[in-house]
Amino acid sequence: GAVVSQHPSRVICKSGTSVKIECRSLDFQATTMFWYRQFPKKSLMLMATSNEGSKATYEQGVEKDKFLINHASLTLSTLTVTSAHPEDSSFYICSASGRARYSGANVLTFGAGSRLTVL
Amino acid sequence: GESVGLHLPTLSVQEGDNSIINCAYSNSASDYFIWYKQESGKGPQFIIDIRSNMDKRQGQRVTVLLNKTVKHLSLQIAATQPGDSAVYFCAESTRSHNAGGTSYGKLTFGQGTILTVHP
Repeated sequence: GAVVSQHPSRVICKSGTSVKIECRSLDFQATTMFWYRQFPKKSLMLMATSNEGSKATYEQGVEKDKFLINHASLTLSTLTVTSAHPEDSSFYICSASGRARYSGANVLTFGAGSRLTVL
Repeated sequence: GESVGLHLPTLSVQEGDNSIINCAYSNSASDYFIWYKQESGKGPQFIIDIRSNMDKRQGQRVTVLLNKTVKHLSLQIAATQPGDSAVYFCAESTRSHNAGGTSYGKLTFGQGTILTVHP
């Protein structure tokens, strides 16, 4: 089945540094990728939607200069948290939408998430 | 408005009992509804989905009911097992169309329910 590989699963960084999280689609081309943020015991909040080769569309209240999203290929999207601060500590999850390579079926699959801790 | 993340309600059941998890959605235009299971520290895992032109759909040990009149969705789990313990989220979406054919639009997640199954 369609798999999305997200890494790192856990990352700890110092305040002021930047962190990059990668999301790769395996066995399918992800025409659209979504990035979510989740706080403990809360629901997933959509941060942005990115279509391959286009600029990401950010949800209201999400700082695009703070959370840089790149979707340069049909199998890779990255989220970079720039100048991270402790309040950016959270669980970040990507999902990818596209067509499965062999079946041609539409798929929407989530990554396993990345736990970011900013000290 | 759209569903907003809140503190999660909880449901505790005994092993073997049936569980019913409820969800209220907000967008009358949504035409696709999905239930996800999320275990601690992991990404959401697809359980079952239903389209807006249906009111019931059954899977293995799970049934989803959709009541569009009151914008309510429920997930029924039969013979609940300890391995079913997790957070359950409903999500709503509208389908979008692009040059490659129909694909899934962005998901809006409900608040989620923590299910605890006691042996």
